Amino acid sequence: DIVLTQSPASLAVSLGQRATISCRASQSVSTSSYSYMHWYQQKPGQPPKLLIKYASNLESGVPARFSGSGSGTDFTLNIHPVEEEDTATYYCQHSWEIPPTFGAGTKLELK
Amino acid sequence: QIQLVQSGPELKKPGETVKISCKASGYTFTNYGMNWVKQAPGKGLKWMGWINTYTGEPTYADDFKGRFAFSLETSASTAYLQINNLKNEDTATYFCARRRDRYDGFDYWGQGTTLTVSS
Repeated sequence: DIVLTQSPASLAVSLGQRATISCRASQSVSTSSYSYMHWYQQKPGQPPKLLIKYASNLESGVPARFSGSGSGTDFTLNIHPVEEEDTATYYCQHSWEIPPTFGAGTKLELK
Repeated sequence: QIQLVQSGPELKKPGETVKISCKASGYTFTNYGMNWVKQAPGKGLKWMGWINTYTGEPTYADDFKGRFAFSLETSASTAYLQINNLKNEDTATYFCARRRDRYDGFDYWGQGTTLTVSS
């Protein structure tokens, strides 16, 4: 199975600043056309919410302060400017093969 | 609007059986696969498998072969997760989530069903 390693495990960011979360895959999850990496936000007591799919495509209704980038094995989720409602745990997930796996999560808190 | 509504919390004893439902609305049920995802208390997300809502064929992740069964009631746009011979380690929140195809993200999720297994 493909292992997704997220870093950091947790981070504290001030309101209005930038949060950067990394996700590294144990093998490439990209072709020349697509990167099979997706990002989710989960708040306590709620299901995950899809934010970005195929590495950089913002899901409908997701604020433009969220952005994703990367290809191959290295992917990044950026949030700028961070707002209070962004406190949550963020997960990456690949869909390169079966089984799809998730990273362990990154907990974002406000400083 | 698109919704996946799951059945309520369950408290079971080891060895018992539970069946969790996930009722879909707001879209054509058979156009999207239904997936199941486990989240143990305080832990991350683990994909359990999926069921092809058009053919009814289930696919199970390796860790979920044997005691787990996915099924459908297509006329009611409902998917089910059954867990037999419950163990303490089955204590978790279980989510259903739809996906257009195996390359896509999980774009809609149920609210989750909390299962507690305790003697």
